[in-house]
Amino acid sequence: GAVVSQHPSWVICKSGTSVKIECRSLDFQATTMFWYRQFPKQSLMLMATSNEGSKATYEQGVEKDKFLINHASLTLSTLTVTSAHPEDSSFYICSASRQGPGDTQYFGPGTRLTVL
Amino acid sequence: AQSVTQLGSHVSVSEGALVLLRCNYSSSVPPYLFWYVQYPNQGLQLLLKYTSAATLVKGINGFEAEFKKSETSFHLTKPSAHMSDAAEYFCAVSEGAGNMLTFGGGTRLMVKP
Repeated sequence: GAVVSQHPSWVICKSGTSVKIECRSLDFQATTMFWYRQFPKQSLMLMATSNEGSKATYEQGVEKDKFLINHASLTLSTLTVTSAHPEDSSFYICSASRQGPGDTQYFGPGTRLTVL
Repeated sequence: AQSVTQLGSHVSVSEGALVLLRCNYSSSVPPYLFWYVQYPNQGLQLLLKYTSAATLVKGINGFEAEFKKSETSFHLTKPSAHMSDAAEYFCAVSEGAGNMLTFGGGTRLMVKP
């Protein structure tokens, strides 16, 4: 149990276009979902936290108008990178947790975004 | 504020040797501590977690970690390394409501035949 999927797993797009990444909890209801960004050979950086039905909470330095997060249901959150530029190229990973402090975060397989 | 330090960005061991990956944390409240493993181009897989029960936590794939409050450490060990253990390992801490994770910088484990 506790499987999280992401789609797509790899996307290449042109500069200026928008890309939507989906994160789904397949066998549990996720009260909270998290979006991370990971640069090559580096650790994960939290971008935002989202609770179902609420606005996402963004970390300092993350542009909320550029990285749109929607958490429409207890099993689906989406991250839309708007007007993507080459510097947005990265590995984006989502995670989901059921509820409560210290509850385990289950991670998706990640989405590699390459902006040309 | 919480933080995590992983000593050694790269650790190399021989197959069959002891694996020791170090993690020290700082937290203003009793922490929840996690170890995750990441294989290339994949997401993170939970190895084990500490949530204020037993201080010695056993995880998957033969890994275990010991919570030492006096040393603010949560080092990961495995008695005998396998080639398949080669991966990136992340220690993370969570405290309070919202279960936001703070990750360490990661340690790349290499296993030599």
